[in-house]
Amino acid sequence: GQNIDQPTEMTATEGAIVQINCTYQTSGFNGLFWYQQHAGEAPTFLSYNVLDGLEEKGRFSSFLSRSKGYSYLLLKELQMKDSASYLCAVYSSASKIIFGSGTRLSIRP
Amino acid sequence: DGGITQSPKYLFRKEGQNVTLSCEQNLNHDAMYWYRQDPGQGLRLIYYSQIVNDFQKGDIAEGYSVSREKKESFPLTVTSAQKNPTAFYLCASSTRQGNYGYTFGSGTRLTVV
Repeated sequence: GQNIDQPTEMTATEGAIVQINCTYQTSGFNGLFWYQQHAGEAPTFLSYNVLDGLEEKGRFSSFLSRSKGYSYLLLKELQMKDSASYLCAVYSSASKIIFGSGTRLSIRP
Repeated sequence: DGGITQSPKYLFRKEGQNVTLSCEQNLNHDAMYWYRQDPGQGLRLIYYSQIVNDFQKGDIAEGYSVSREKKESFPLTVTSAQKNPTAFYLCASSTRQGNYGYTFGSGTRLTVV
């Protein structure tokens, strides 16, 4: 079966660092995406990991371990505008991406 | 500029009526998708199409229908058979391989009154 797990909600403080974890069990794996979604809006692309290791892009970094079926998204120097849902998604087979339920991140001043 | 357009942004439907949501893209993408999102939940796949004149059911296709007569267009009809149609509907497109991720439209919020 297909299963992607991530925490439902997280809270962090402005200026701090937060790590959002994602574990997956899918039939086939070709890569893992992270998307950001503000309430009532479409998801926007953050990162794509194909190989094991850490990919850094500004304040956001994403890590992948294929052997463990595990990924995390690391957000540094948190800003209020980072309050959003973060979706972990696995590219499991040709033209099919499976999405997790998302983690709703709240940033407090 | 290339992109994907959904219309309308908000839609109200009476119970028992069919309604069609529009999705158009000018990205020259082969594949297109329809997702449904309920409050506080992730995206669930309704239908997808990898090529013109062909489409496949996703995880929650019951009560929905689609067509793909043109590469640019992938309209979704929410039929009266859909028991709980009130939701946020997202259309997306990608290259046929999908490995560059999806480009999403801005969504249509459907409310049954």
